[in-house]
Amino acid sequence: EAGVVQSPRYKIIEKKQPVAFWCNPISGHNTLYWYLQNLGQGPELLIRYENEEAVDDSQLPKDRFSAERLKGVDSTLKIQPAELGDSAVYLCASSIRQAGNTGELFFGEGSRLTVL
Amino acid sequence: DAKTTQPTSMDCAEGRAANLPCNHSTISGNEYVYWYRQIHSQGPQYIIHGLKNNETNEMASLIITEDRKSSTLILPHATLRDTAVYYCIVLIQGAQKLVFGQGTRLTINP
Repeated sequence: EAGVVQSPRYKIIEKKQPVAFWCNPISGHNTLYWYLQNLGQGPELLIRYENEEAVDDSQLPKDRFSAERLKGVDSTLKIQPAELGDSAVYLCASSIRQAGNTGELFFGEGSRLTVL
Repeated sequence: DAKTTQPTSMDCAEGRAANLPCNHSTISGNEYVYWYRQIHSQGPQYIIHGLKNNETNEMASLIITEDRKSSTLILPHATLRDTAVYYCIVLIQGAQKLVFGQGTRLTINP
């Protein structure tokens, strides 16, 4: 079974340019997450989807970040315009609600963004 | 969610048991203890979770104290591939929002 697939794995852009990351979750997983991970820190949640609905986007900087999951399957995270401080790894994860184990998330390998 | 405290780093010899402690003194009765690890350049990986009983799976064992204020993740025979950052997280039953701390950087030495 394929895991969570993210692309691109690496992206280098100049500041003020736009960038987009794509995530395809594990088949059948209705919950999708985007996390941000700065160097040396643990991941931080940006947004969580239940099917196509964003149920927790309180940590998403909405002035420059946007996300969508139109058909409740794959998702795109966009930054426009990118700033130097956005350099980080963007992780996508998915999960399926199960009694007693709702904390088991499956993560992709991440997309590493460098803003110059 | 309750906050956790973990040592910043630990070392362990290959082949020995690695015991990673976690303090969660403010845990409430309906919060589970979850452990994840993150190998360099990969996403976090689920290891194990528990509520109050000790748990064991093919990866590790989880020992939770009777008062549930602390726990220990045990890797019984550590290998070089177990070198990673290990995160201890407490999560309310039914919730799906993991909040990661800084974790413990475990280095397995040959």
